[in-house]
Amino acid sequence: DVKVTQSSRYLVKRTGEKVFLECVQDMDHENMFWYRQDPGLGLRLIYFSYDVKMKEKGDIPEGYSVSREKKERFSLILESASTNQTSMYLCASSLGLRGAGNEQFFGPGTRLTVL
Amino acid sequence: AQTVTQSQPEMSVQEAETVTLSCTYDTSENNYYLFWYKQPPSRQMILVIRQEAYKQQNATENRFSVNFQKAAKSFSLKISDSQLGDTAMYFCAQINNAGNMLTFGGGTRLMVKP
Repeated sequence: DVKVTQSSRYLVKRTGEKVFLECVQDMDHENMFWYRQDPGLGLRLIYFSYDVKMKEKGDIPEGYSVSREKKERFSLILESASTNQTSMYLCASSLGLRGAGNEQFFGPGTRLTVL
Repeated sequence: AQTVTQSQPEMSVQEAETVTLSCTYDTSENNYYLFWYKQPPSRQMILVIRQEAYKQQNATENRFSVNFQKAAKSFSLKISDSQLGDTAMYFCAQINNAGNMLTFGGGTRLMVKP
């Protein structure tokens, strides 16, 4: 079974702190993604990566950065957390086959609260 | 740009009955895939069903089926013989042809009542 794990289920941080969210997948997937999920807005893509050290901005990259040093690990970084970044963060991974309608496999999510 | 719209924020259905969740989308791509994902309470998001736009036949997975109307850009999900375990948030989503951009609708919260 594909497994995508995230480092924390719940996280509470203070405004201005630097926050790291970690995601690991064990299926050798090329693509990895970070989304945030907010009520009524569905999931919105923050960043994705299609290879080690490669990254692309999604729809809402402002205030976030990412790092992918190893194929299985994709980190989301909040350089200076703000209260409007309080949200549920979901990581996902998929194969990198172009045009194949690749299923994305999701982690359990990290509920981040910024005070 | 792709957009996906789910017009029903919440729905409920009695156990064993049938329910249909609506989804419309907009895209300029010629070929694409559409998905329904399910997110049970406090559990991970999982794929329910997938449809390739080039295929005219509607996808079916056990009790789950879709009504794909390409010209109308409509992609509804029908759940037959609803079960309590179907209670979840359901998200309609579309992926671009490059396979790297998944666009989600706002979700429909489905409650199956005993």
